[in-house]
Amino acid sequence: AQSVTQPDARVTVSEGASLQLRCKYSYFGTPYLFWYVQYPRQGLQLLLKYYPGDPVVQGVNGFEAEFSKSNSSFHLRKASVHWSDWAVYFCAVSIRNMGYKLTFGTGTSLLVDP
Amino acid sequence: EAAVTQSPRNKVAVTGGKVTLSCNQTNNHNNMYWYRQDTGHGLRLIHYSYGAGSTEKGDIPDGYKASRPSQENFSLILELATPSQTSVYFCASGDVNWGAETLYFGSGTRLTVL
Repeated sequence: AQSVTQPDARVTVSEGASLQLRCKYSYFGTPYLFWYVQYPRQGLQLLLKYYPGDPVVQGVNGFEAEFSKSNSSFHLRKASVHWSDWAVYFCAVSIRNMGYKLTFGTGTSLLVDP
Repeated sequence: EAAVTQSPRNKVAVTGGKVTLSCNQTNNHNNMYWYRQDTGHGLRLIHYSYGAGSTEKGDIPDGYKASRPSQENFSLILELATPSQTSVYFCASGDVNWGAETLYFGSGTRLTVL
């Protein structure tokens, strides 16, 4: 079965600094990959999604992610973090022949220092 | 604007009592999901549905039932609530596109079982 690992439970960055949140997946083939964001006291919202094709995917609010089959990774990046990015970020994977169901990682809490 | 609405927003229940969590979507999506969110576990799938009248077991269905009486409504039922079911519960509807599914989440129900 597929799985997702987010090795960092918490990441702290200064406002204006660059950001990378790590995600590793486990699956034999090429999965569909997603990043969702959860702002305080809200449900999750889609940031970006990867379909097989261009390995770099652009999302909302300046976020992007890069798929690497050789590293089984789908890391999230942002060039300059804003205080409003303070949230929990979830990586997720789905496999088409598994009925589209998403498997989520445990999430990374992003704290932004002013 | 697509919308998924959950009720109640907060619920306190007693051990052994029956709890019903409700979810309504105006997206006209066929697929709907119930997840619970716990620290250190991320989101875990409880039940899901592919349409009115259908329910399927997710990864952690024990102690939960689901009901999908219509396209718009999907309920999660705890017949005999236990303290281990204290959690935040999220409902989502799913839009399948190009072989992958994007989920739209409600704002969550915080359930405390005493």
